[in-house]
Amino acid sequence: AQSVTQPDIHITVSEGASLELRCNYSYGATPYLFWYVQSPGQGLQLLLKYFSGDTLVQGIKGFEAEFKRSQSSFNLRKPSVHWSDAAEYFCAVGNAGGTSYGKLTFGQGTILTVHP
Amino acid sequence: NAGVTQTPKFRVLKTGQSMTLLCAQDMNHEYMYWYRQDPGMGLRLIHYSVGEGTTAKGEVPDGYNVSRLKKQNFLLGLESAAPSQTSVYFCASSARLDGCEQYFGPGTRLTVT
Repeated sequence: AQSVTQPDIHITVSEGASLELRCNYSYGATPYLFWYVQSPGQGLQLLLKYFSGDTLVQGIKGFEAEFKRSQSSFNLRKPSVHWSDAAEYFCAVGNAGGTSYGKLTFGQGTILTVHP
Repeated sequence: NAGVTQTPKFRVLKTGQSMTLLCAQDMNHEYMYWYRQDPGMGLRLIHYSVGEGTTAKGEVPDGYNVSRLKKQNFLLGLESAAPSQTSVYFCASSARLDGCEQYFGPGTRLTVT
């Protein structure tokens, strides 16, 4: 069964500092990978996705993520964090085949706090 | 283009009461999903649908029922609410050939007392 682990429950950074949020997945084949962001009281917004091809993917709001098959990781990065990036971030893996096509499994989430 | 909408936004129920949450999407997506979100547990799939008239169980289906009578609507029902069903419920939809990318509604916050 597919699974996702986000090792960091809560991360605090200063505005302008770089950011890396970790995500490790378990999946039997090449996965579909996603990062979503959730602001307080809001739904989830897609930041970026990886289906195939270039392992470094660019997303919205200046975020990027790198797929590393050897490490089963899909870490999210941003070179300079803005106060508006404070939110909860979810990594997810999608099932790309069979009868479970389209289903997403989410990690537990990482809450990002940004200090001025 | 409203995307995915959910009704209601908030609801308080007493134990044993029933209710239905409505999800509607205007993107002509084939797939629709219901999740619940609890602190520290991410989103867990309750039920999903791969097309009009079809539904399937997800990870945590007990205590919930669903129906997809029209392609654009996906209903989640609680027949006899329990305090353990206090949660935030999210609906999502995706296109069949779009590789699992899901679009989410704004959520319904349900409290069962």
